[in-house]
Amino acid sequence: GENVEQHPSTLSVQEGDSAVIKCTYSDSASNYFPWYKQELGKRPQLIIDIRSNVGEKKDQRIAVTLNKTAKHFSLHITETQPEDSAVYFCAARNYNAGNMLTFGGGTRLMVKP
Amino acid sequence: EAQVTQNPRYLITVTGKKLTVTCSQNMNHEYMSWYRQDPGLGLRQIYYSMNVEVTDKGDVPEGYKVSRKEKRNFPLILESPSPNQTSLYFCASSLKGLAGETQYFGPGTRLLVL
Repeated sequence: GENVEQHPSTLSVQEGDSAVIKCTYSDSASNYFPWYKQELGKRPQLIIDIRSNVGEKKDQRIAVTLNKTAKHFSLHITETQPEDSAVYFCAARNYNAGNMLTFGGGTRLMVKP
Repeated sequence: EAQVTQNPRYLITVTGKKLTVTCSQNMNHEYMSWYRQDPGLGLRQIYYSMNVEVTDKGDVPEGYKVSRKEKRNFPLILESPSPNQTSLYFCASSLKGLAGETQYFGPGTRLLVL
């Protein structure tokens, strides 16, 4: 089955700096890669996603890049703000082989004012 | 208001005592799913359902059962809970389970098995 690894597990940045979280996946047939943000005590919420036929997607201060050859994808947050502090999860899904969504272990991002 | 609800939100029980965590969505979604969240392990999928009477195992189905008799409900059943099932559980739903669909999560159920 699919295996998703996420790094780093914790990340501390200064307000205004950029943050990058990286994930690798094992199943080359995976074709959908969402990112979720989970604030303390809250439920995960989708913030951005990318399909395997796209190399990059951007939404205001967040962007996701996908390298299918290397089987890794990354979340980029620019001009970080204290409200970006949360746990971020990447995930991978192969729609051609069932509909299971496999998550990475999570990254705790702390943005210092 | 479109939402996914779970009950109970918190539960303390003892080993072997059967329990059910309910999940309900009011968005007419076909796809529903259960996850457990443990520190350092992220969210792991337990079971998912593509539609009524269609369920499939996720990554960690052992010790759990589900049923999908109606579109809106997807209960998670622990027939004989054990301490290693102590976890935070999330139910989620999306329209058809297709790429690009937003998956809506419930508020979570924190379970402690003594």
